[in-house]
Amino acid sequence: ETGVTQTPRHLVMGMTNKKSLKCEQHLGHNAMYWYKQSAKKPLELMFVYSLEERVENNSVPSRFSPECPNSSHLFLHLHTLQPEDSALYLCASSQDYGTGVNEKLFFGSGTQLSVL
Amino acid sequence: AQKVTQAQTEISVVEKEDVTLDCVYETRDTTYYLFWYKQPPSGELVFLIRRNSFDEQNEISGRYSWNFQKSTSSFNFTITASQVVDSAVYFCALSATTSGSARQLTFGSGTQLTVLP
Repeated sequence: ETGVTQTPRHLVMGMTNKKSLKCEQHLGHNAMYWYKQSAKKPLELMFVYSLEERVENNSVPSRFSPECPNSSHLFLHLHTLQPEDSALYLCASSQDYGTGVNEKLFFGSGTQLSVL
Repeated sequence: AQKVTQAQTEISVVEKEDVTLDCVYETRDTTYYLFWYKQPPSGELVFLIRRNSFDEQNEISGRYSWNFQKSTSSFNFTITASQVVDSAVYFCALSATTSGSARQLTFGSGTQLTVLP
């Protein structure tokens, strides 16, 4: 139990669907992250929120839309996805962002997304 | 720009064998941090260790040990007397300054370790 909870664990969606991934952290952290994990590839950082403001957006297509309504919750809204978007989407949190010392990340178990 | 290379995609060992996972990194920063994370089949990455670039002392924690060598830009991870529960994907990561001056964590592609009974 890492203190970061992601739902759903598995999601199958068609290319025209709209769905959302949810992440919640119970650690009192100030930074939250979305990562994409594809097979045999390094984890790709998608978005970072620090104190509820987006501080990183790594050239992610607009069909992925993050939302951070408060410091404990992070969403990833999905619409008109492509089959190549199928991957494990991991949420993480850290005490702070960008300071090095406090970048120990706590990860959720991920949402395994399949786009048909 | 920074980069982390884990050349070993998959490793299989028999229980009780020692195994070393390699990690080579690239960065122009003089101050940086190196990490190892473990991803068991359940999916969540679990933090194992963080080292800063000024501390080259090797570290041992139970059956785990880490060898940090700045001269070769390597941060290798050894599991002694491996156990089946060590089976997981292991990621090496580097935290260094990006071109925009913000630190970012860069992961390697991971090494799948399978420990056979």
